[in-house]
Amino acid sequence: EIVLTQSPATLSLSPGERATLSCRASQNVNNLLVWYQQRPGQAPRLLIYDASNRATGIPARFSGSGSGTDFTLTISSLEPEDFAVYYCQQRISWPPVFTFGPGTKVDIK
Amino acid sequence: EVQLVESGGGLVQPGGSLRLSCEASGFTFSFYWMFWVRQAPGKGLEWVANMNEDGRERHYVDSVKGRFTISRDSAKNSLYLQMNSLRAEDTAIYYCARPSNSHDSSAPIDYWGQGTLVTVS
Repeated sequence: EIVLTQSPATLSLSPGERATLSCRASQNVNNLLVWYQQRPGQAPRLLIYDASNRATGIPARFSGSGSGTDFTLTISSLEPEDFAVYYCQQRISWPPVFTFGPGTKVDIK
Repeated sequence: EVQLVESGGGLVQPGGSLRLSCEASGFTFSFYWMFWVRQAPGKGLEWVANMNEDGRERHYVDSVKGRFTISRDSAKNSLYLQMNSLRAEDTAIYYCARPSNSHDSSAPIDYWGQGTLVTVS
């Protein structure tokens, strides 16, 4: 089973600041790494797929990078609506049971 | 517009059973793998089960194998999760989810339902 580790668990920042979130995989997942955002009381929303591709409608302030086992989600300048929990997910394993990371909460400092 | 609407959640005693339903609309249901993902209160996301387009292929996370069964009815555009021998640790919001690409088991999830809460107590 591929285990994903996210750091930090919580990131306290102010609006306008840059956020850098990390996701590390226990095995090589190539670039098959996905990022989701979840706001309180809502279902998750697809942000980034295949490590660096923004999903439809996602603002350019969100960017992803990395390959293999180390990945980064960057929010260049935090907007009020960006304070949420962010999950990474791998989509390489077979059988196709695609584990999620434990999440990083971005909250207002 | 793609919509996924779950139902069937509720309060059940340990050892009991529950059947969740997910009614899909706005896309060709029979072209897509479909997934169940859950989230315990205040916790992270957990992949539960998935099923291919014709229902012949199913996969489960280890913690639910032998207890949960995923199924689908393309005539009704519906996905189901039969949950037996429920445990307290199965308490969660259960989301029905659809991948972004048809005929692709590993595509990222681009549509989620609103979730249905299952409480085992």
